[in-house]
Amino acid sequence: EVQLVESGGGLVQPGGSLKLSCAASGFTFSGSAMHWVRQASGKGLEWVGRIRSKTNNYATAYAASVKGRFTISRDDSKNTAYLQMNSLKTEDTAFYFCTREKGAGGYFDYWGQGTLVTVSS
Amino acid sequence: QSALTQPASVSGSPGQSITISCTGTSSDFGGYNYVSWYQQHPGKAPKLMIYDVTNRPSGVSSRFSGSKSGTTASLTISGLQAEDEADYYCTSYTSSNTSWVFGGGTKLTVL
Repeated sequence: EVQLVESGGGLVQPGGSLKLSCAASGFTFSGSAMHWVRQASGKGLEWVGRIRSKTNNYATAYAASVKGRFTISRDDSKNTAYLQMNSLKTEDTAFYFCTREKGAGGYFDYWGQGTLVTVSS
Repeated sequence: QSALTQPASVSGSPGQSITISCTGTSSDFGGYNYVSWYQQHPGKAPKLMIYDVTNRPSGVSSRFSGSKSGTTASLTISGLQAEDEADYYCTSYTSSNTSWVFGGGTKLTVL
């Protein structure tokens, strides 16, 4: 059974940093591209970024709203993806989901339950 | 990157059919058939319902179908059931800047 479990969310002050983790199981993690998607309370889904597999040189891509502040990484030995968030803003407050990419066009077939990040003073 | 455009809400009675549209630009869809649709119930993670415009994952009811014409993709739900009441999101890969874009979401109400 495929499982994605996010952790690391919490309360952080504006300008602060936080690192989220996404622990994967039930599939060959090392061969999969992984994404982060966020959702502010009562709002829609927003794509955050993606990291590809080692075969694809761990290539990353980010939404314009987080580029330069957020960094996605992975540790295939731990079957875990990470989202390092720096220079956090109040508008980064949201639930953060990790999801597995599938297919040539990159759809998201499995999702974690999300972890809440609150940026507030 | 602008979001894909979806109606904010749609509604229908049990047994009826509804269609949710998802409109983008040629750069959003990039000429590819890479549109996918997700269902999200309150407090839950999104669930994949349709991928690559028309394909249904295993376990998803055949009442859900997808299509695309030009720069508008559509999700149709036939034989509406109470359990279909949820938010629905479309998304597409955009090759222009290697990113993904979501629609703003559509709240489906089953009357």
